Amino acid sequence: GQQLNQSPQSMFIQEGEDVSMNCTSSSIFNTWLWYKQDPGEGPVLLIALYKAGELTSNGRLTAQFGITRKDSFLNISASIPSDVGIYFCAGPSGGTSYGKLTFGQGTILTVHP
Amino acid sequence: GAGVSQTPSNKVTEKGKYVELRCDPISGHTALYWYRQSLGQGPEFLIYFQGTGAADDSGLPNDRFFAVRPEGSVSTLKIQRTERGDSAVYLCASSRQGGKEQYFGPGTRLTVT
Repeated sequence: GQQLNQSPQSMFIQEGEDVSMNCTSSSIFNTWLWYKQDPGEGPVLLIALYKAGELTSNGRLTAQFGITRKDSFLNISASIPSDVGIYFCAGPSGGTSYGKLTFGQGTILTVHP
Repeated sequence: GAGVSQTPSNKVTEKGKYVELRCDPISGHTALYWYRQSLGQGPEFLIYFQGTGAADDSGLPNDRFFAVRPEGSVSTLKIQRTERGDSAVYLCASSRQGGKEQYFGPGTRLTVT
């Protein structure tokens, strides 16, 4: 089946630094979703991307839909302690028109004050 | 309610017992999904409902797992003859009809002893 590979697996940064992470696939996705998960909670939707090349922002977060449609990127500017968590990329698998999502394995972000 | 709710938040059961996990989606969302998340992994798709019917149950691991949504709103995931390998967090998500953006509940942590 389709797999999403996230990089890096973990990041340790200082408060105020910018963060970049990415997600790649061997097959094309028509939608990319980025989620954040805090311990003991469900994933929270951060950004949704629907078009190749699309660049979308949500506050300090910016995500891009790669033009090959096989990758996506998430950037966080001026990180703060509450950015700590696990970031997942996801997309509808198998070309489904509904949201049967495949998730990456996550990027664990730690922010040192 | 404002978001997806799941009950119970935690469930500990003995191997071989039967369990039911409940999901109450966002009001008006016709699509409902169940996922399973093991430690250190992203969520994995189990089953998708559009209205009352299970439109895609390809992620259910075996016939011990079953889910219903009799009135097109609340859903129950049922696991018979639980095994230790069933221990995981079970997440429920909902979306508008045709929508790719899924909103997750907090999950039920199932532990089989």
